[in-house]
Amino acid sequence: EAGVAQSPRYKIIEKRQSVAFWCNPISGHATLYWYQQILGQGPKLLIQFQNNGVVDDSQLPKDRFSAERLKGVDSTLKIQPAKLEDSAVYLCASSLETRDRFSTDTQYFGPGTRLTVL
Amino acid sequence: AQSVTQLGSHVSVSEGALVLLRCNYSSSVPPYLFWYVQYPNQGLQLLLKYTTGATLVKGINGFEAEFKKSETSFHLTKPSAHMSDAAEYFCAVSAQRFQKLVFGTGTRLLVSP
Repeated sequence: EAGVAQSPRYKIIEKRQSVAFWCNPISGHATLYWYQQILGQGPKLLIQFQNNGVVDDSQLPKDRFSAERLKGVDSTLKIQPAKLEDSAVYLCASSLETRDRFSTDTQYFGPGTRLTVL
Repeated sequence: AQSVTQLGSHVSVSEGALVLLRCNYSSSVPPYLFWYVQYPNQGLQLLLKYTTGATLVKGINGFEAEFKKSETSFHLTKPSAHMSDAAEYFCAVSAQRFQKLVFGTGTRLLVSP
């Protein structure tokens, strides 16, 4: 089974530029998450999708960050314009959500995109 | 609201020694608890999780953790460290299934020969 795919793996931009990250979850996984991991900290959720809909975006800086999930599969996360403090690793995760009580709720993570803002 | 505290940003052990990584949580509801491992330049990999049932949870690579409600703890242990265990370990909590994970700040495990 293929894992969560992310691209690019690394990106260097200057402040005030725009950047986009792409995530392809595990096939069949309805729930997709974007986390931001700043150096020396644990990951923090930015946004959670269930199929096409947003479940939680309470910690997404909406003045500069946006995200969409196309047809309930792939997702893109955009930053416009970028600030120095956006330098971080952006992790995408997915989980298979069913109402079956035996269903696993494990979140599977991709390798991340390391963003450096100069 | 949920939160996690990991005591010790770095833990050093010798190969073959006991590994103990500490995690305390705060949750207003019965928690779901997780331990993830992160190797350099890689994503997070699930080691083990506690949802309900048996409080001693066994995971991959010989790791286990015990949920202690009275102590609000979920410490990770391994009887004998291997060099390959050197990585960053994150404890996480969620309030319900399929909700966001709230992570601790991580503990870097260093294993010396």
